[in-house]
Amino acid sequence: EVQLVESGGGLVQPGGSLRLSCAASGFSFSSYWMYWVRQAPGEGLVWVSRINSDGSSTNYADSVKGRFTISRDNAKNTLYLQMNSLRAEDTAVYYCARGVSVAGTTPLGYWGQGTLVTVSS
Amino acid sequence: DIQMTQSPSSLSASVGDRVTITCRASQGISNYLAWYQQKPGKVPKLLIYAASTLQSGVPSRFSGSGSGTDFTLTISSLQPEDVATYYCQKYSSAPGTFGGGTKVEIK
Repeated sequence: EVQLVESGGGLVQPGGSLRLSCAASGFSFSSYWMYWVRQAPGEGLVWVSRINSDGSSTNYADSVKGRFTISRDNAKNTLYLQMNSLRAEDTAVYYCARGVSVAGTTPLGYWGQGTLVTVSS
Repeated sequence: DIQMTQSPSSLSASVGDRVTITCRASQGISNYLAWYQQKPGKVPKLLIYAASTLQSGVPSRFSGSGSGTDFTLTISSLQPEDVATYYCQKYSSAPGTFGGGTKVEIK
């Protein structure tokens, strides 16, 4: 069974940093692109970032480019999102997700439960 | 970047009604279009991909159509358990932009 478990969320002051983790199990983690999607309270889904299977290629939403860094450790089956220079508008539940196939162009068939990040003074 | 526009933003329909939600891409995306259902307090669930392919386990009352820039999600007979917000997403390339969502309620 595919499982994705996020951790690392919490309360952080504006300008601060946080690193999210997503522990994956139940599939060959090193074969799949992985994704981060966020959802502000009461708002819609927003695509944040993706990383290819070996970590050599990454993409970001314009709203986080230069502030967030996605990475992965295939030996530990773990996906990361390093978030720096955090702003109030980054407050959201952050979901880790996996595609339905190993291709880069794939819909998101598996989602974690999410971890809440709150940016506030 | 390609923008995804959904309409309506919300709707209210009776049990058994046919419900249609539309999603428009600002540029052609072939059939790289997915639909997700998110029930209140729950994680998003993939319903349809490749514009019209039903994900395993999804009831057959859900269907999708379209190609290029215009897409449709149809619920043929609305059920109480379909109360949710529905999102389209383009996945042809990064960023995988989502539509703004359509909240479906029972009248």
